[in-house]
Amino acid sequence: SQTIHQWPATLVQPVGSPLSLECTVEGTSNPNLYWYRQAAGRGLQLLFYSVGIGQISSEVPQNLSASRPQDRQFILSSKKLLLSDSGFYLCAWSGKYEQYFGPGTRLTVT
Amino acid sequence: AQSVTQPDIHITVSEGASLELRCNYSYGATPYLFWYVQSPGQGLQLLLKYFSGDTLVQGIKGFEAEFKRSQSSFNLRKPSVHWSDAAEYFCAVGRYGNKLVFGAGTILRVKS
Repeated sequence: SQTIHQWPATLVQPVGSPLSLECTVEGTSNPNLYWYRQAAGRGLQLLFYSVGIGQISSEVPQNLSASRPQDRQFILSSKKLLLSDSGFYLCAWSGKYEQYFGPGTRLTVT
Repeated sequence: AQSVTQPDIHITVSEGASLELRCNYSYGATPYLFWYVQSPGQGLQLLLKYFSGDTLVQGIKGFEAEFKRSQSSFNLRKPSVHWSDAAEYFCAVGRYGNKLVFGAGTILRVKS
């Protein structure tokens, strides 16, 4: 069966520091991968999605970036965090149809 | 433009009462339809999905949803709510190979 992992589970970082969140998927090959953000009291915002290694599409302009160095690895990064980057970050994968979500990373920028 | 509307931001029901969460969508073609549930601090879990065929679909945890093409709706129902059902519920639509479009979510509170 397929599983999706995210780490770290929680992270507290100062403004201006770098960020790296990792997502890995097991039990499937060539999945579509997604990064979402949930700000407090708001719905899901799609940040990036990827249909293959090195193929990244950005949904919203911001100071975040994503990379897919391996088939089942998806990384969310920032060179300098802003206060507004605080939120709950979710990674998801999909095959043909539905998406399956990881447990999420709670990021607090102080 | 593709969109999903969940008209109710919050809903409170008594334990044992029935539940219906509303979802309306706007999409160029008949989409695939999904309901997800999210407990606080956790990821989203797929409750049920509709692709084609019988318009009443059964999901996990005793939930069901009915697709009504004429109303562009996909409402989620449960005959008897349990305290453990308190969570946030998201409706989503999409097509094969396309990204999902999510609604803003409905927070369900269950009172004993």
